[in-house]
Amino acid sequence: EVHLVESGGGLIQPGGSLRLSCAASGFTVTSSYMTWVRQGPGKGLEWVSFVNTGGSTYYADSVKGRFTVSRDSSKNTLYLQMNSLRAEDTAVYYCAKPGGGWEFDYWGQGALVTVSS
Amino acid sequence: QSVLTQPPSVSGAPGQRVTISCTGSSSNIGAGYNVHWYQQFPGTAPKLLIHTNNNRPSGVPDRFSGSKSGTSASLAITGLQAEDEADYYCQSYDSSLSGVLFGGGTKLTVL
Repeated sequence: EVHLVESGGGLIQPGGSLRLSCAASGFTVTSSYMTWVRQGPGKGLEWVSFVNTGGSTYYADSVKGRFTVSRDSSKNTLYLQMNSLRAEDTAVYYCAKPGGGWEFDYWGQGALVTVSS
Repeated sequence: QSVLTQPPSVSGAPGQRVTISCTGSSSNIGAGYNVHWYQQFPGTAPKLLIHTNNNRPSGVPDRFSGSKSGTSASLAITGLQAEDEADYYCQSYDSSLSGVLFGGGTKLTVL
């Protein structure tokens, strides 16, 4: 059975850094286009980043140059390194696994990141 | 600009049929990329409701259906129930973004 569990969220000051983890079970993270999606307070879903099976990475313009997605096959874990954090990065961050296409059939429970002084 | 436009809110009485539209452009829905729909309750992760335009994952009632035409897609819910009150999001892929695109979301209220 597929499970995704995020961790690493918390309160961070503007300009700070934080790394989110997404521990996967039931499949290998290197076999899927693992994706990060965020949702600001009272807002809709926003795609953040994905890493394809070959290891190439893609980012939304809003986080490009500040966020880095990576994965560790030995730990079967996806990461999101977030640098130069801004108040507008405050959100619940979800990791998600796609099915056969670009639909996301498995989601983690979410990790709350609050950027505030 | 790459966006998927949804109405902010829709409502209907129990038993009625409602539809939620999702309008895109030539770089996403119009380019042939599939549309997927999610249902989200407050404080919980989104749940895949419809994938690949009109396919229901196992366990999703057949009251939910999807369609796609041109640069738009729609989610239809028939026999509306109180438990359907939630936020609904469409999603596709966008070639201009080289990434995933979500609609702004629609809040369904069951009157």
